[in-house]
Amino acid sequence: AQSVTQLDSHVSVSEGTPVLLRCNYSSSYSPSLFWYVQHPNKGLQLLLKYTSAATLVKGINGFEAEFKKSETSFHLTKPSAHMSDAAEYFCVVSPYGSNDYKLSFGAGTTVTVRA
Amino acid sequence: DAGITQSPRYKITETGRQVTLMCHQTWSHSYMFWYRQDLGHGLRLIYYSAAADITDKGEVPDGYVVSRSKTENFPLTLESATRSQTSVYFCASGPQGYEQYFGPGTRLTVT
Repeated sequence: AQSVTQLDSHVSVSEGTPVLLRCNYSSSYSPSLFWYVQHPNKGLQLLLKYTSAATLVKGINGFEAEFKKSETSFHLTKPSAHMSDAAEYFCVVSPYGSNDYKLSFGAGTTVTVRA
Repeated sequence: DAGITQSPRYKITETGRQVTLMCHQTWSHSYMFWYRQDLGHGLRLIYYSAAADITDKGEVPDGYVVSRSKTENFPLTLESATRSQTSVYFCASGPQGYEQYFGPGTRLTVT
């Protein structure tokens, strides 16, 4: 069994300040973890992925996430928010190495960026 | 261009009609998926396919039919559309089942 909890349903930041989106997971298998971003009326775009390699993962658009097994966390950060970062973000867990292809999605965190 | 496309992007249909949503990917990914996204429910898996001619049910398959005769195409058919099937539908594909890339979505309204 696996699940994802995104700890904040909404995050508001000022442009140029850091962004932190928190995600905790549980998984019976060694997990693969992903962050997706969804802009309004658009599809989901893969930001970054962790698949049992380096624990600090760098993604697109300046985002990065750190896998912490002891804390079962996979928080997403960006040093300096841009207006274009306003979107909904989903943390996703997949049971890497199993035959179960069902991704477990977090409920999403809506990010607003103030000018 | 390489990628995953969905058509149509917007569709309005009447209750009881059959409607087919198309999904096409140019990456030659083995795995393809259909999801629906609804407020309050997030993304839910409808069907998935591990390869051509291999499909399996996801979380919410009732009322939907899929086929996959070619690796690159994975159409989703609503045999007799109902209002509860009004949703945004996303197709995804991936080289492995656990890594998925999403299409732009189809917004379907059933009146």
